[in-house]
Amino acid sequence: AQSVTQLGSHVSVSEGALVLLRCNYSSSVPPYLFWYVQYPNQGLQLLLKYTSAATLVKGINGFEAEFKKSETSFHLTKPSAHMSDAAEYFCAVSPIKAAGNKLTFGGGTRVLVKP
Amino acid sequence: DVKVTQSSRYLVKRTGEKVFLECVQDMDHENMFWYRQDPGLGLRLIYFSYDVKMKEKGDIPEGYSVSREKKERFSLILESASTNQTSMYLCASSLSASGAGGYTFGSGTRLTVV
Repeated sequence: AQSVTQLGSHVSVSEGALVLLRCNYSSSVPPYLFWYVQYPNQGLQLLLKYTSAATLVKGINGFEAEFKKSETSFHLTKPSAHMSDAAEYFCAVSPIKAAGNKLTFGGGTRVLVKP
Repeated sequence: DVKVTQSSRYLVKRTGEKVFLECVQDMDHENMFWYRQDPGLGLRLIYFSYDVKMKEKGDIPEGYSVSREKKERFSLILESASTNQTSMYLCASSLSASGAGGYTFGSGTRLTVV
């Protein structure tokens, strides 16, 4: 069974500082990996995804993530935080071959951006 | 642009009422999912469906049922609403052929049971 661990349920960063959100997965084979963002009282929106092409993946709003097979990690970064980045972020994995491609989600990390 | 539409953003119902949450997608996706989201508990899968008239239990199906009579529509039913079902409900859909697409989510329905 797959699992996803997001280190830190809350992260506080200053505006303009680096945003780093950590995600580790457990899976017998490298899965598909995703980062979603959720703004208050909204659904989840896809930020970026890794589907076994380039290991460094660029997404929307200046975010990127790097897949590291040896570390079973898929950490999300943004060089310079903006106030609009305040949201909750979810890492998710999907097995490459599975009926219905069910995603397994991490517990989420809430980002607070300080002026 | 592809869309998953949930019929209500906010809903207030009384204990014991039968509640219907509707979800419609316009992407011709085979798979549809219902999650509930609670603080500190993340997203928990209630039910999902691979095809019309097919349904599978997720991690927390108790107190819920679902209906999928048409490919584009997936309904979540609370047979007798209780206060512990107060939550944010999220619908999602995906293509069946590959896991590479991920999910497309609706905007969510915040249900309060009083």
